[in-house]
Amino acid sequence: EVQLVESGGGLVQPGGSLRLSCAASGFTFSSYWMHWVRQAPGRGLEWVSRVNRDESSTNYADSVKGRFTISRDNAKNTLYLQMNSLIAEDTAVYYCTRASWDLISNDYWGQGTLVTVSS
Amino acid sequence: DIQMTQSPSSLSASVGDRVTITCRASQSISSSLNWYQQKPGKAPKLLIFAASSLQSGVLSRFSGSGSGTDFTLTIRSLQPDDSATYYCQQTYSTPQTFGQGTKVEI
Repeated sequence: EVQLVESGGGLVQPGGSLRLSCAASGFTFSSYWMHWVRQAPGRGLEWVSRVNRDESSTNYADSVKGRFTISRDNAKNTLYLQMNSLIAEDTAVYYCTRASWDLISNDYWGQGTLVTVSS
Repeated sequence: DIQMTQSPSSLSASVGDRVTITCRASQSISSSLNWYQQKPGKAPKLLIFAASSLQSGVLSRFSGSGSGTDFTLTIRSLQPDDSATYYCQQTYSTPQTFGQGTKVEI
């Protein structure tokens, strides 16, 4: 059974940093692209970032470019999101998602971890 | 970025009704369109991929159609468990983008 379990969320002050982790199991992690998608309270879904199988290619939403870094450790079956210079608008539930093999969809999602940026 | 516009933003329907949600892309996205269902406090769940393909394990009362810029999600014979917010998503180009969501109330 595919499982994605996020951790690392919490309350952080504006300008602070946080690192999210996503532990993957039930599939060959190194064979799949992975994404982070976020959802602000009461709002819709916003794509944040993606990484290919060997971390040779990464992409970011304009809203986080230069502040967030996506990475992965295929030996540990874990996806990361390093978030720096956090602002209030980054407050959201962050979901780790797996890209389908053909990259057409995000076929599995974690339960999400809440990041709150507030003083 | 490709903009995705869903309509309606919300709807109320009765058990057994046929419900249709539409999604329009700001430019052609071929068939790179997915539909997700999200219940309160839960992660989104993939229902339909590539515009019309049913994700494994999803009930056949859900169906999708369309290509280019106009797409629809149809729920045949609405059930109480279908109460949720539905999102369309394009993966034709990066960044992938989502519609604003359609809240379905029973």
